[in-house]
Amino acid sequence: EAGVAQSPRYKIIEKRQSVAFWCNPISGHATLYWYQQILGQGPKLLIQFQNNGVVDDSQLPKDRFSAERLKGVDSTLKIQPAKLEDSAVYLCASSLTAGASYEQYFGPGTRLTVT
Amino acid sequence: AQKITQTQPGMFVQEKEAVTLDCTYDTSDQSYGLFWYKQPSSGEMIFLIYQGSYDEQNATEGRYSLNFQKARKSANLVISASQLGDSAMYFCAMSSDSNYQLIWGAGTKLIIKP
Repeated sequence: EAGVAQSPRYKIIEKRQSVAFWCNPISGHATLYWYQQILGQGPKLLIQFQNNGVVDDSQLPKDRFSAERLKGVDSTLKIQPAKLEDSAVYLCASSLTAGASYEQYFGPGTRLTVT
Repeated sequence: AQKITQTQPGMFVQEKEAVTLDCTYDTSDQSYGLFWYKQPSSGEMIFLIYQGSYDEQNATEGRYSLNFQKARKSANLVISASQLGDSAMYFCAMSSDSNYQLIWGAGTKLIIKP
């Protein structure tokens, strides 16, 4: 079974530029998550989708971040314009569905450096 | 509010020894799940083991076991016969039926010495 795919793996941009990340979850997984992980910290949830609907985006900085999951499968996360503090690893995860007993499976992440 | 506490920022363990990584949690929910993830230096977050709050037996997955003490709100990860490849960050996390979000601890950096 293929795991969660993410691209690109690494990205370096200058502040005020825009960037987009792509995620393809495990086949059949209804729930998709985007996390931001600052070095030395645990992941912080940015947005959660159930199929193609947003369940939780309370921690997404909506003035600069946007995300979509148009057909309920793959998803893109965009930052525009980027700030220095956006330097982090962006992790995508998926689970069969949302619930306390469903483990999340993570992709390899995208390491973003904003200079 | 729900919270996960990992009190060990870092640990050094000799290869082949067993190691226990501590995790305590706080929740008022009756139904919840506890998870352990491993994050090597490559960055990927790898699911290791799950324990449900109503599970009477401690979860085990190969060399990993979860020492679940519900009354103490403790969910420690035990790795038996540690290997060099076990060197990584380890995160404890929790979700509940009232909040499906994973709440994460700060992590423990484990280094296995040859």
